[in-house]
Amino acid sequence: QVQMEQSGAELKKPGASVRISCKPSGGTLSRYTFSWVRQAPGQGLEWMGRIVPVLRIEFYAPKFQGRLSITADKATTTAYMELTGLKPDDTAIYYCAANTFPTKSFFNYWGPGALVTVSS
Amino acid sequence: SFVLAQPPSVSVAPGKTAKMTCGGSTLGTKGINWYQQKPGQAPVLVIHSDTDRPSGIPERFSGSNSGNTATLTISRVEAGDEGDYYCQMWNSSTDYVTFGGGTKLTVL
Repeated sequence: QVQMEQSGAELKKPGASVRISCKPSGGTLSRYTFSWVRQAPGQGLEWMGRIVPVLRIEFYAPKFQGRLSITADKATTTAYMELTGLKPDDTAIYYCAANTFPTKSFFNYWGPGALVTVSS
Repeated sequence: SFVLAQPPSVSVAPGKTAKMTCGGSTLGTKGINWYQQKPGQAPVLVIHSDTDRPSGIPERFSGSNSGNTATLTISRVEAGDEGDYYCQMWNSSTDYVTFGGGTKLTVL
């Protein structure tokens, strides 16, 4: 069973940036499409954007345009999400959610999530 | 942006049938997916493409989608089915993904 391994929890100050990684176990990046989904404390799921490594295409939800960057590194078989200009309401668990290429309409594989806390 | 409406909570007795709805304009023309999320855990896909169950998901879980409403049905509900359930769709026109607000299932 494919698993998505994510980096750990982060504590950041307002205005800082955070980068979170997502690495599929036992497979190459090109086999998957990756999305990032976040969940604020006690709230629902919010889709942020996706990357399709084999096509080298990134796509972002309008809310995060200009502040979010999703990349993929073939050498380390790792996908990354970087969010800049952090605010306290960016405090959330950030999940990597994926499926086998070309499927991008739903998510079969989820990482365990990485808690990002934004506080001064 | 497209909105998916879910009731905040549903309660059901063990052994009974739970139905959770997801509403949206012309939803029946779009593929709807459902996720189960238990406290402290990542979501798990339980239904995709309206009616398809991933391997490992019990047959007690089923889905339907028609008109403006998609429905997740759990038959013979067990205590372990408690959690939050989210519907989700991909909009082929905009390429965006939208989640519903989630329904908390309580087993009485």
